[in-house]
Amino acid sequence: QLQLQESGPGLVKPSETLSLTCSVSGGSISTSNYYWGWIRQPPGKGLEWIGSIFYSGNTYYNPSLKSRVTISVDTSKNRFSLKLSSVTAADTAVYYCARRRIGPPYYFDYWGQGTLVTVSS
Amino acid sequence: EIVLTQSPATLSLSPGERATLSCRASQSVSSYLAWYQQKPGQAPRLLIYDASNRATGIPARFSGSGSGTDFTLTISSLEPEDFAVYYCQQRSDWPPITFGQGTRLEIK
Repeated sequence: QLQLQESGPGLVKPSETLSLTCSVSGGSISTSNYYWGWIRQPPGKGLEWIGSIFYSGNTYYNPSLKSRVTISVDTSKNRFSLKLSSVTAADTAVYYCARRRIGPPYYFDYWGQGTLVTVSS
Repeated sequence: EIVLTQSPATLSLSPGERATLSCRASQSVSSYLAWYQQKPGQAPRLLIYDASNRATGIPARFSGSGSGTDFTLTISSLEPEDFAVYYCQQRSDWPPITFGQGTRLEIK
């Protein structure tokens, strides 16, 4: 059974860089069948797609965050990572990593449990 | 960017009743729309993909319909575990992938 697990600091200071890692187990990240993505959810609000990465390293970002986001993949460790720079309180959210299949069902079919990141001094 | 608008924001129903949730896209997404269910403290769960296909393990009481700009998620007879927040998401024109703002289905 595929499992995704987010990890990283739960508290980040304003203007600093948020860094999270998603470790994938029960399956290989090095497959052409999937994108690997990050989605966030501010407390009490809806879902926002941050970006996705293909195992080859091709990245796709939300234009609203593109100037601050970097997503990378480490196939040797079967994990991918998110960096979000110059954070503010508006970046406080639960951050999820998820798998999106290229082919049915085409959407985010496996998710991590999510990790709350709070931006505060 | 394609904007998805869900209605109603909150739907109050009783177990056993039929639920009808709506998602409208700002431009055509063909059939490239999914529905997710999210319970408190949990990640979203994929229910329906490409407008009308149930994801693996999803009960038959969940069905989806629509194409173009107007979509519907129907729960034929509500079970207690169905009370949650539901989101639609499009993959027609990305980036960005976009989600609707959600419909909260609450017990009446």
